[in-house]
Amino acid sequence: DAKTTQPPSMDCAEGRAANLPCNHSTISGNEYVYWYRQIHSQGPQYIIHGLKNNETNEMASLIITEDRKSSTLILPHATLRDTAVYYCIVRVPYNTDKLIFGTGTRLQVFP
Amino acid sequence: GAVVSQHPSWVICKSGTSVKIECRSLDFQATTMFWYRQFPKQSLMLMATSNEGSKATYEQGVEKDKFLINHASLTLSTLTVTSAHPEDSSFYICSARDRGKPQHFGDGTRLSIL
Repeated sequence: DAKTTQPPSMDCAEGRAANLPCNHSTISGNEYVYWYRQIHSQGPQYIIHGLKNNETNEMASLIITEDRKSSTLILPHATLRDTAVYYCIVRVPYNTDKLIFGTGTRLQVFP
Repeated sequence: GAVVSQHPSWVICKSGTSVKIECRSLDFQATTMFWYRQFPKQSLMLMATSNEGSKATYEQGVEKDKFLINHASLTLSTLTVTSAHPEDSSFYICSARDRGKPQHFGDGTRLSIL
């Protein structure tokens, strides 16, 4: 699976949009981009995933660049409960099924 | 939907005892379950992958005789830490998925060995 690079930490004011970047320059054509987050002392929570089109669900939006070498997770109106470590993972569904977690981005939402 | 329940959430036991952790998929059939371990201030590390009805596949460096995994049904997997020692103290997390769908995680088990 392709390696990803994320900033170690970010801050965001409550109510503002949080934009979390992820670089995956070695992604291959059949690899999807997955986002999970881990709130302190809990198991990771699935957020969203996509292949090449932008995706949106009730939690977030995922913007993938046309060359697919990077993506951005957008939390449109961050709340204090969104404070967590966010992980960007690329993998091929059906293949190995392993999720290899990097170090992620620690997002701190402040009042 | 896609709820994974893990039990117990917290356990303290004496060195040398064995501890069993259960992972259940409550509203879907999990063809595959995964077990992770997480030390403080570190990321999750995959320990093993288990498919229902077959032996688990362990990651390099994980002792299969120490971490026994059983995936007897499509909704239940168990991890038994045998003869636990203080260095086995960690946060153990399971995940489950149906084929081709995202993994969903339990809330973890904090294991403390005295």
